[in-house]
Amino acid sequence: GENVEQHPSTLSVQEGDSAVIKCTYSDSASNYFPWYKQELGKRPQLIIDIRSNVGEKKDQRIAVTLNKTAKHFSLHITETQPEDSAVYFCAAPQTPLSGGYNKLIFGAGTRLAVHP
Amino acid sequence: DARVTQTPRHKVTEMGQEVTMRCQPILGHNTVFWYRQTMMQGLELLAYFRNRAPLDDSGMPKDRFSAEMPDATLATLKIQPSEPRDSAVYFCASGPGQTLNTEAFFGQGTRLTVV
Repeated sequence: GENVEQHPSTLSVQEGDSAVIKCTYSDSASNYFPWYKQELGKRPQLIIDIRSNVGEKKDQRIAVTLNKTAKHFSLHITETQPEDSAVYFCAAPQTPLSGGYNKLIFGAGTRLAVHP
Repeated sequence: DARVTQTPRHKVTEMGQEVTMRCQPILGHNTVFWYRQTMMQGLELLAYFRNRAPLDDSGMPKDRFSAEMPDATLATLKIQPSEPRDSAVYFCASGPGQTLNTEAFFGQGTRLTVV
């Protein structure tokens, strides 16, 4: 299958709180799970990624966790700051049901707003 | 600082006109993607190439869209004829690996408006 679902679509938090965004995927063969941040009017940029041989990866205030059994992965941002406000996208390589090469499919995005 | 370069950054055109968007991937990158971004559909994969060969273009309306890589330094996306529903931001991205298990580096996008 080729489906990556992302929740929530919008998230509003107070500065200093944590934010969690979750994605589920359908292709059990997927083994790479990146997260991209897109600020208003700019390009998506990779902020963190995880491969299927680990369950968690951290980089300062951001972390990603992966549950291969349940086929979901999550982005965690701690001590949020106003500059974290952006749209966040998850992605995963997915194999089409119709066959052929796998594709890098993006979730629908989460608009995060961090209020001072 | 290597970057994916897209031209033009903005394009306004009348319905029915041909539109050509260009992308220069990062030198040495083997995989090139074209994505379309709209508020309603998010980031949709239109086509992608590996070593200049098209691997998948099932996301493109075949009757009006075409994607090519005439050489390793240039990828093009053409729309002919353009329609108002094609209005979107078109991103090109490139990746260094032979698989999809690496970072995709995005260009700044071409904002297309078809009136």
